[in-house]
Amino acid sequence: AQSVTQLDSQVPVFEEAPVELRCNYSSSVSVYLFWYVQYPNQGLQLLLKYLSGSTLVKGINGFEAEFNKSQTSFHLRKPSVHISDTAEYFCAVSLVDTGRRALTFGSGTRLQVQP
Amino acid sequence: DVKVTQSSRYLVKRTGEKVFLECVQDMDHENMFWYRQDPGLGLRLIYFSYDVKMKEKGDIPEGYSVSREKKERFSLILESASTNQTSMYLCASSFAGYEQYFGPGTRLTVT
Repeated sequence: AQSVTQLDSQVPVFEEAPVELRCNYSSSVSVYLFWYVQYPNQGLQLLLKYLSGSTLVKGINGFEAEFNKSQTSFHLRKPSVHISDTAEYFCAVSLVDTGRRALTFGSGTRLQVQP
Repeated sequence: DVKVTQSSRYLVKRTGEKVFLECVQDMDHENMFWYRQDPGLGLRLIYFSYDVKMKEKGDIPEGYSVSREKKERFSLILESASTNQTSMYLCASSFAGYEQYFGPGTRLTVT
């Protein structure tokens, strides 16, 4: 079975500082990888995805992530955060070429950007 | 833009009531999903459907059932609501195994 681990439940950071949110996964088959963001009282919005090709993926709002197959990681980064980036971030995987179409989510990382 | 709508943003029900949560998507997606979100636990899959009248149990199906009579609509049913079903419920849809599009969520309180 697949699993996703987000190592940090909360990440406090000052405005304009860089940030990295960590995600590791476990799976016996190839995966697709996703990062979602959830603002307060809203649903989840896709930030970026890795399906194939270049391991460095750029998403919306200046975020990027790098797929590292050997370390089974997909860490999310932003070089300079804004107050408006305060939200909860979820890493997720789906299995390639299997009947399971659902996503498996990590437990989430709450990013708190302070002025 | 893909749009996934959920029938209610907030819902308060009493223990033992039958509860219906409705979800509609407008992108002709074959797959639809119901998740439950609780603090510190992330999103957990309750049920999903890959076609009309087809459904599969997710990781936490106990106490829930679903209905998909039309491709665009997927309903979650709590046959007899209990206080431990107080949670945020999120509906999503997708094409194949790719990214899912989420609705705004329904925050259900069972008293």
